[in-house]
Amino acid sequence: QVHLQESGPGLVKPSQTLSLTCTVSGVSISTNTFYWSWIRQLPGKGLEWIGHIHNNAGTFYAPSLTSRVSTSMDTSKNQFSLNLNSVSAEDTAVYYCARARITGTARGLFDYWSQGTLVTVSS
Amino acid sequence: DIVMTQSPDSLAVSLGERATINCKSSQSVLYSSNNKNYLAWYQQKPGQPPKLLISWASTRESGVPDRFSGSESGTDFTLTISSLQAEDVAVYYCHQYYDTPQTFGQGTKVEIK
Repeated sequence: QVHLQESGPGLVKPSQTLSLTCTVSGVSISTNTFYWSWIRQLPGKGLEWIGHIHNNAGTFYAPSLTSRVSTSMDTSKNQFSLNLNSVSAEDTAVYYCARARITGTARGLFDYWSQGTLVTVSS
Repeated sequence: DIVMTQSPDSLAVSLGERATINCKSSQSVLYSSNNKNYLAWYQQKPGQPPKLLISWASTRESGVPDRFSGSESGTDFTLTISSLQAEDVAVYYCHQYYDTPQTFGQGTKVEIK
């Protein structure tokens, strides 16, 4: 059974870096079949795709965030991570990690999601 | 970016009645090479993450009740719940995975009348 669980601070100060880790069980993140993704849900603004990471294909990011975002994988721990730097109050959101079935380059269907974690940017 | 616009923002339907949610894409999400619409629908219940219901505009995921169906006409897509059940109270999102960045509709909240 596939399960994703994110972890990380729920409060980040403005201008600092938001860091989250997603631990995956039930499937290896080394598989070529899926992207491993970050999505956020902004208050009152719906869902926003942040980016994908793939063991061989590398990383893909939303253009609006690409200057501030990076992702990485630790296959030995079956984890992948998100870093978003220079955060502001506009980055306050529920952050999800998800598995995406690959449907094209940098595109996928999100079939398994974590429960989500609220990250608040505030001093 | 492809803009996905859902309507209505919310609707209230009596138990057992039909609920219809619309989603319009700002450009085609149909891949001519495989004749597939790269459009999905998700259901999000309070306090839960979104759940994938339908992919390729009309293909139900395994385990999704057949009262949920998806259809398309050009750049207009519809999610229909044929007979609303209490457990269907949720926010529903459409999602295009035709182009990057992938984008979502703003959501439609379904409630019981």
